[in-house]
Amino acid sequence: EIVLTQSPATLSLSPGERATLSCRASQSVSRYLAWYQQKPGQAPRLVIYDGSNRATGIPARFSGSGSGTDFTLTISSLEPEDFAVYYCQQRSNWLTFGGGTKVEIK
Amino acid sequence: QVQLQESGPGLVKPSETLSLTCTVSGYSISSGYYWGWIRQPPGKGLEWIGGIYHSGTTYYNPSLKSRVSISVDTAKNQFSLKLSSVTAADTAVYYCARQDGDWFDPWGQGTLVTVSS
Repeated sequence: EIVLTQSPATLSLSPGERATLSCRASQSVSRYLAWYQQKPGQAPRLVIYDGSNRATGIPARFSGSGSGTDFTLTISSLEPEDFAVYYCQQRSNWLTFGGGTKVEIK
Repeated sequence: QVQLQESGPGLVKPSETLSLTCTVSGYSISSGYYWGWIRQPPGKGLEWIGGIYHSGTTYYNPSLKSRVSISVDTAKNQFSLKLSSVTAADTAVYYCARQDGDWFDPWGQGTLVTVSS
C-alpha cells in the first residue's frame, strides 16, 4: 500500500496570504495524484487531478505541482472560502488518501 | 449535472451487515465510468472502499475485500454497498462518488452510519 503523508497538519494563515501544502508518497506515483477540498459538514470536492490539472470550476489561484513522490498544492492568495481541510489521493497502486492538512484562519 | 445521493439505515448492530444505496441522477450509469464508495470515520481521514463499472466489474480495497460487496442496478440507475460483520470501527460517514479516471468527482453528500447495539 502506498502511504501518503501530508504536511503540515495545520496551516494558520490570513486571507490574501499564500498557502503551500505538501504531500509525500512512500513510493513513486508518477503524476497520479489528486487534491480535494473538504469544508465542515460537506463532501470533499476535487480540486486538482493528475498532479497539476484544475478540476472544473476551480479558480486559477489553485495550482498543483510535483511528480514521483513529492507534490505541492499552492493557493496563491487565500480567499475566505478556501479555509478548509485538503486531502491528497493517489491512484498509482490501488487508491489511498493522505491524512489531510487543515488550512485555518490565523 | 450529475448528482449522487446515498440512502440506507443510519444505525447498524455489531456483527450485522451494513447496506447502502447510491442513486445517480443527471447521468446514466450505463454510459460509463466506475462508481465508488469512500468512508470517513468521525473526525478522521478518507478511506476508499471499492468501485464498480456498469458492466458489474468490481474492485475493492484489499483491507476490506473479505467483507465488501458492491453491486449495480442500471435499470434504477443505482449502485449499492454491503459491508458484513461490522464493528464500531466501521462507524463513519459513507460517501458515493463517480470515479473519473480513479479520481472522485462528483460526490454525494454522505450518510452517517453508526454501528452500535
